[in-house]
Amino acid sequence: IAGITQAPTSQILAAGRRMTLRCTQDMRHNAMYWYRQDLGLGLRLIHYSNTAGTTGKGEVPDGYSVSRANTDDFPLTLASAVPSQTSVYFCASSDSQGQGYYGYTFGSGTRLTVV
Amino acid sequence: ELKVEQNPLFLSMQEGKNYTIYCNYSTTSDRLYWYRQDPGKSLESLFVLLSNGAVKQEGRLMASLDTKARLSTLHITAAVHDLSATYFCAVDPLGGSEKLVFGKGTKLTVNP
Repeated sequence: IAGITQAPTSQILAAGRRMTLRCTQDMRHNAMYWYRQDLGLGLRLIHYSNTAGTTGKGEVPDGYSVSRANTDDFPLTLASAVPSQTSVYFCASSDSQGQGYYGYTFGSGTRLTVV
Repeated sequence: ELKVEQNPLFLSMQEGKNYTIYCNYSTTSDRLYWYRQDPGKSLESLFVLLSNGAVKQEGRLMASLDTKARLSTLHITAAVHDLSATYFCAVDPLGGSEKLVFGKGTKLTVNP
């Protein structure tokens, strides 16, 4: 692994089903984020975590939950999927406690279709 | 609430031409990032601008930051087809929170 790994790459999901998107990083970054990307809307923050054991809500958190049990993993769960959650989901990380500011490293994304 | 506006949202240009993409933001910040996204791909970091007057250049792309005007520009010089992509600016609203707010992106198409 080099950077951030997201799984699955794509998924078609029936409405009402539960789904967890996985995100793992190997850079020991303290902060991790989940964004959704929708055409015409850019990227919007769903949830974030500044450090292991803590999480916070972003701009569009409803219908999603996250956990951060350790530094490397930051799964995103849709408890009961709805069609409006059809989107491309990006996980990202940053070293916000380091000496430099380099912005985010992004995963390759998960394309989710809720039908 | 921080708002980030990019313009234009769509840009079609000929190879060899110059153009500028603008990124305006609504609240104080001194950290701005530019990313590139190719179709169906992830976002790749282009530039990190951390102070007023910062200027970074990489190949045919040059980015600058004016924190007083709350404006960043991404200038394209002598465009080539390989620059076709969507470009995003992102602003750190609290100068360190790193919960970036993204613009909607500028889809650049460079025609031969």
